[in-house]
Amino acid sequence: DTEVTQTPKHLVMGMTNKKSLKCEQHMGHRAMYWYKQKAKKPPELMFVYSYEKLSINESVPSRFSPECPNSSLLNLHLHALQPEDSALYLCASSRTVTNEKLFFGSGTQLSVL
Amino acid sequence: GDSVTQMEGPVTLSEEAFLTINCTYTATGYPSLFWYVQYPGEGLQLLLKATKADDKGSNKGFEATYRKETTSFHLEKGSVQVSDSAVYFCALSSGGSNYKLTFGKGTLLTVNP
Repeated sequence: DTEVTQTPKHLVMGMTNKKSLKCEQHMGHRAMYWYKQKAKKPPELMFVYSYEKLSINESVPSRFSPECPNSSLLNLHLHALQPEDSALYLCASSRTVTNEKLFFGSGTQLSVL
Repeated sequence: GDSVTQMEGPVTLSEEAFLTINCTYTATGYPSLFWYVQYPGEGLQLLLKATKADDKGSNKGFEATYRKETTSFHLEKGSVQVSDSAVYFCALSSGGSNYKLTFGKGTLLTVNP
C-alpha cells in the first residue's frame, strides 16, 4: 500500500461551520504534512508532524488546527474560515522528515462560502 | 534564501514532440533537486530526483541532469504522449530535510493528439 488517502474529496462550508479533513497512510511513515495549494500555484507548507509531534507550524492562523492521533492518521480541524481559505488541501507523508520522497494524497478541494 | 525558477507556461505540444521544461535554482550548500507532476484533480507525484552534481534522474521516459555549474535541472522527454498532460513542478530540498522543500511555480503542459 503506497497510498495517502484523504477524505472528503470535496467540502463546502460556511464561515461559521466546524469541519475536519482527514488523512491516512499505512506505509509506516513517521512524518506527515499539510499543504495548501491555491489554483495555478505551487503547494505551500502549513504543518509538519514528526513521530506524531508537531514540528513545524508555518505561521498558520489558529482557525486551522492540526491533530495527529496516531502514526497513521492526520487531521486538520477547520473553524471560522474565510473565503480566501478556499483551496486544495494536500496531505503528504514520508518515511522521516529527512527522507526526501514525499507521497501526496489527492487532496480535499475546500470552498468557503 | 532558496528559490526555484521554472519556465512560464503553458506549454502546448503535439504528440511525439520533444519536451524541455527549464528549471534553475538558487540555494546555499548542495540541495537535492526534484521534479513533481500533478495530473488534473490529483495530488503531486514524485517524477524523478537527483541528489548531487551530475546525477541524472529518470522515470517514465523523462530525464533531468543536476548541473551545478549552471544551477539547472531541466526536464526533458524525447516523445510526449497525451497522457503526459499535467502540471510539472521543479523543487529543491536543502539541509537534508523536507522542512525546506521549495517549489517552482509550475508549468502546465498540454499534449494534443
